[in-house]
Amino acid sequence: GEDVEQSLFLSVREGDSSVINCTYTDSSSTYLYWYKQEPGAGLQLLTYIFSNMDMKQDQRLTVLLNKKDKHLSLRIADTQTGDSAIYFCAESRGNNNDMRFGAGTRLTVKP
Amino acid sequence: NAGVTQTPKFRVLKTGQSMTLLCAQDMNHEYMYWYRQDPGMGLRLIHYSVGEGTTAKGEVPDGYNVSRLKKQNFLLGLESAAPSQTSVYFCASSYSGTYYEQYFGPGTRLTVT
Repeated sequence: GEDVEQSLFLSVREGDSSVINCTYTDSSSTYLYWYKQEPGAGLQLLTYIFSNMDMKQDQRLTVLLNKKDKHLSLRIADTQTGDSAIYFCAESRGNNNDMRFGAGTRLTVKP
Repeated sequence: NAGVTQTPKFRVLKTGQSMTLLCAQDMNHEYMYWYRQDPGMGLRLIHYSVGEGTTAKGEVPDGYNVSRLKKQNFLLGLESAAPSQTSVYFCASSYSGTYYEQYFGPGTRLTVT
């Protein structure tokens, strides 16, 4: 089947930038998403990007998409301790019932 | 708005027991979903519903049944629990079935011994 892969852990110092990477295999992916999961909570949509875009910026968040390499990244500028969470990459062709999620990257922000 | 709520938050079952997980949403969403989350794996879709009275199978439906008798509720049933069903279960809902944001509940941690 189609896969979405992410590294499982990332640790950064407060104030640094964090970059979380994701690769996917489905060349028909239309929408790519980043979800955030805080302890004891469900996933919350952070941002998304359409496959015809290369970049999307939203305040401290920058999403980069390299469609040729099927590589998606999420950059968090000026990372804060409140950004500590698990970040999930997901992709779909447009239907929510065919979304594929990565295993999640646990971001730890050290003071 | 409470958003998406799930009941219970935690449960321990013995092999062969049955139980029902309840998901409720107050956003008048048409679409609802049940996922399971296992260590080292992404969320996998168990079943979903495109509206009241409808259900459909997702990626991993075996061993589970669902019902959507009311628009706001989506129930997930385990008729005969197995240790392989130990997982964290998430319910989600969305206004539409295409690219619209899914809103997730806080999850139910189920352990089957």
